[in-house]
Amino acid sequence: NAGVTQTPKFRILKIGQSMTLQCTQDMNHNYMYWYRQDPGMGLKLIYYSVGAGITDKGEVPNGYNVSRSTTEDFPLRLELAAPSQTSVYFCASSGAGLAGGSSYNEQFFGPGTRLTVL
Amino acid sequence: SQKIEQNSEALNIQEGKTATLTCNYTNYSPAYLQWYRQDPGRGPVFLLLIRENEKEKRKERLKVTFDTTLKQSLFHITASQPADSATYLCALDEGGSYIPTFGRGTSLIVHP
Repeated sequence: NAGVTQTPKFRILKIGQSMTLQCTQDMNHNYMYWYRQDPGMGLKLIYYSVGAGITDKGEVPNGYNVSRSTTEDFPLRLELAAPSQTSVYFCASSGAGLAGGSSYNEQFFGPGTRLTVL
Repeated sequence: SQKIEQNSEALNIQEGKTATLTCNYTNYSPAYLQWYRQDPGRGPVFLLLIRENEKEKRKERLKVTFDTTLKQSLFHITASQPADSATYLCALDEGGSYIPTFGRGTSLIVHP
């Protein structure tokens, strides 16, 4: 199992550009999450999904969009990039609540995407 | 307002000693609490989970305590090694939503 994979690892955007951060998991997890982490700060939840076709906003959703068309993939879209979106982005997944899976929410994280908006 | 507090100052200890990290919270009623390790440039890795009705959980050199009266969890690493140097994050989940909230983390530096 590759676990949670993210692409790209690094990206520099100009203000106003758009991009999609890719996230894929091969553990058949139902829950998937997108976080951002700024220096010295904890993880802030951007969006999450409880299964294919279902997404919901987290703490800091403004400026982002997501979709969940399959169990495996959970891309994060940035429209009109702004310097405030400079951060490290982590995707995570969890098998919480699945039959035979964990009753609790241990999360598996990807390696992160370091994004700079200039 | 809800708040999770982890010491923002790095914890420096000597190899072989026990490291103790603290996670305090206010205005939460967590059903369980998790601890993660994060190395520079990498994503967090799950270490331990403790439920509200458990006082203590152990895994090899790691021990977690959970005091819902004090609203505090302590994370201990015994016989610490330089390889234990990392940032440790606590995360609280009030149960049912599977949407935990993370603290900022505490950096641990173990000196040889």
